[in-house]
Amino acid sequence: DSGVTQTPKHLITATGQRVTLRCSPRSGDLSVYWYQQSLDQGLQFLIQYYNGEERAKGNILERFSAQQFPDLHSELNLSSLELGDSALYFCASSESLAGSYEQYFGPGTRLTVT
Amino acid sequence: AQTVTQSQPEMSVQEAETVTLSCTYDTSESDYYLFWYKQPPSRQMILVIRQEAYKQQNATENRFSVNFQKAAKSFSLKISDSQLGDAAMYFCAYRDTGANSKLTFGKGITLSVRP
Repeated sequence: DSGVTQTPKHLITATGQRVTLRCSPRSGDLSVYWYQQSLDQGLQFLIQYYNGEERAKGNILERFSAQQFPDLHSELNLSSLELGDSALYFCASSESLAGSYEQYFGPGTRLTVT
Repeated sequence: AQTVTQSQPEMSVQEAETVTLSCTYDTSESDYYLFWYKQPPSRQMILVIRQEAYKQQNATENRFSVNFQKAAKSFSLKISDSQLGDAAMYFCAYRDTGANSKLTFGKGITLSVRP
């Protein structure tokens, strides 16, 4: 158990809908990362937050957004869902931005868009 | 931009034997981190081993060791005394040392272990 929690574990929804994925980082970790794992794109970085502020963006679609709240949990919002958004979404956390730190991954949320 | 390449999509090894998984990467940075992650059927991402680029000594973790060739930008994982539980997908990953330090992953390699 990495200490990172993600809810829900599975999510099935229809095209055009909107969903919210939730992540609670390890206790004490200030940085949260979101990654998407799909058959087409592999594992790719979406976005990073540190202590409530967005710090880096990757290949995140405009239909997707995220935020990190004062209690440091993070949510990833996916809207106008398409079939191609079906993927495993991972959250990872780390205690700091720079230096010799690890990113600890949560169990992931499997999103299926039908 | 940094890239990570794992050219072998699948490999197989006999239980108790040794297997080496290959990875190459491209970066213009001189200092960075390299990782191998294991993803078993449960889909959990598990860190296997890490290497700091400034360290010449290859990292080892029990049965897992790496061959880090900085000039060649090569980072292979050797699994000794392979066990059935080693069967999984393995991802090579790169990370800068800077503040916005996302992980860049290769496409992964599926390792099967024959009993």
